[in-house]
Amino acid sequence: GENVEQHPSTLSVQEGDSAVIKCTYSDSASNYFPWYKQELGKRPQLIIDIRSNVGEKKDQRIAVTLNKTAKHFSLHITETQPEDSAVYFCAAGKPGGYNKLIFGAGTRLAVHP
Amino acid sequence: EAQVTQNPRYLITVTGKKLTVTCSQNMNHEYMSWYRQDPGLGLRQIYYSMNVEVTDKGDVPEGYKVSRKEKRNFPLILESPSPNQTSLYFCASSSLSSPLHFGNGTRLTVT
Repeated sequence: GENVEQHPSTLSVQEGDSAVIKCTYSDSASNYFPWYKQELGKRPQLIIDIRSNVGEKKDQRIAVTLNKTAKHFSLHITETQPEDSAVYFCAAGKPGGYNKLIFGAGTRLAVHP
Repeated sequence: EAQVTQNPRYLITVTGKKLTVTCSQNMNHEYMSWYRQDPGLGLRQIYYSMNVEVTDKGDVPEGYKVSRKEKRNFPLILESPSPNQTSLYFCASSSLSSPLHFGNGTRLTVT
């Protein structure tokens, strides 16, 4: 079955710096890679996703890159702000959740003013 | 407002006392699932359902039951809770055209 590894487990940056979180997956059949942000005490919320026919996707300060050959994908946050502080989860699966969506263990990002 | 509603938000119970956590979605999603979240382990899938009367085990199904008698509801049942089931539980739903959407979570403590 699918296995998703996420690194680092914690990340501390200064406000304005960039943050990068990396994930690797094992099942070459996976073709959908979402990222979720979970603020303290709240539910995970989708911030960006990418499908395997696309190598990169951007949405304002966040971007995701995908390397299907190497089976890894990354989340990039530029110009970090204190409100970016949260736990971020990557996941791998099929669109719509019709197959299992397997999550990484999470990265706790702290952005210091 | 489109949402996934879980109840209760907090639950403290004792070992062996059967409990049910309810989950309801108003988005007409075919797919629903339950996850548990534990520190350092991320979100692990317990059970999922692809449609009414269709359920299947996720990665950590032991000690849990589910049912999908109606499209909107997907309750999680713990027949005989144990302390190792103390966790934060999330229900989620999606469809082919809509990504996974989580409920607000249920924090369960089993003493």
